[in-house]
Amino acid sequence: GESVGLHLPTLSVQEGDNSIINCAYSNSASDYFIWYKQESGKGPQFIIDIRSNMDKRQGQRVTVLLNKTVKHLSLQIAATQPGDSAVYFCAEIGNAGNMLTFGGGTRLMVKP
Amino acid sequence: GAVVSQHPSWVICKSGTSVKIECRSLDFQATTMFWYRQFPKQSLMLMATSNEGSKATYEQGVEKDKFLINHASLTLSTLTVTSAHPEDSSFYICSAIPGQGFGGYTFGSGTRLTVV
Repeated sequence: GESVGLHLPTLSVQEGDNSIINCAYSNSASDYFIWYKQESGKGPQFIIDIRSNMDKRQGQRVTVLLNKTVKHLSLQIAATQPGDSAVYFCAEIGNAGNMLTFGGGTRLMVKP
Repeated sequence: GAVVSQHPSWVICKSGTSVKIECRSLDFQATTMFWYRQFPKQSLMLMATSNEGSKATYEQGVEKDKFLINHASLTLSTLTVTSAHPEDSSFYICSAIPGQGFGGYTFGSGTRLTVV
């Protein structure tokens, strides 16, 4: 079936550095993508989203890039802070409905 | 902003008993809510889509007689794990969509179920 997956299960960065978390998706019909942050024992928290008619969207310290040609999504976090340590999931919604499909997740560890 | 409240946050039950988990939209109405299950170090897997006033739609491989979903009002969906067994131990999370269209999926804080 269609799926969304990630390249790296764990990413360790130094505090203050930029982080890049990647995600590959397989459903070419997906038209909406969301990045979530999940801290231990908590539900996912919305970070940023992007529609398929865009290739870049910026938020506060975060940027999402979408490359539809290679079906790749990335989340960039600027000046990573210890509070950014969490698991990050990409999720997509296809054109068949409103169900979210989650990727495998990447654990971001920020070293002080 | 939109808030989804989930209760309880954690529960321990004996094998063979049933456990009910509640998911409430606090400041919006949700005709559709979603139930996910998450095992340790894994992603969220959609279990079912809960529709207000009608039967839930279950994903393939999810036993509807074991995971009973009731969405009796626009602000409350419940998931009952019946005859729980240790393999049902997991983190259960609900979500809802405030308003129409895409975006704004709001998640509950999750329920950690441990079956002993």
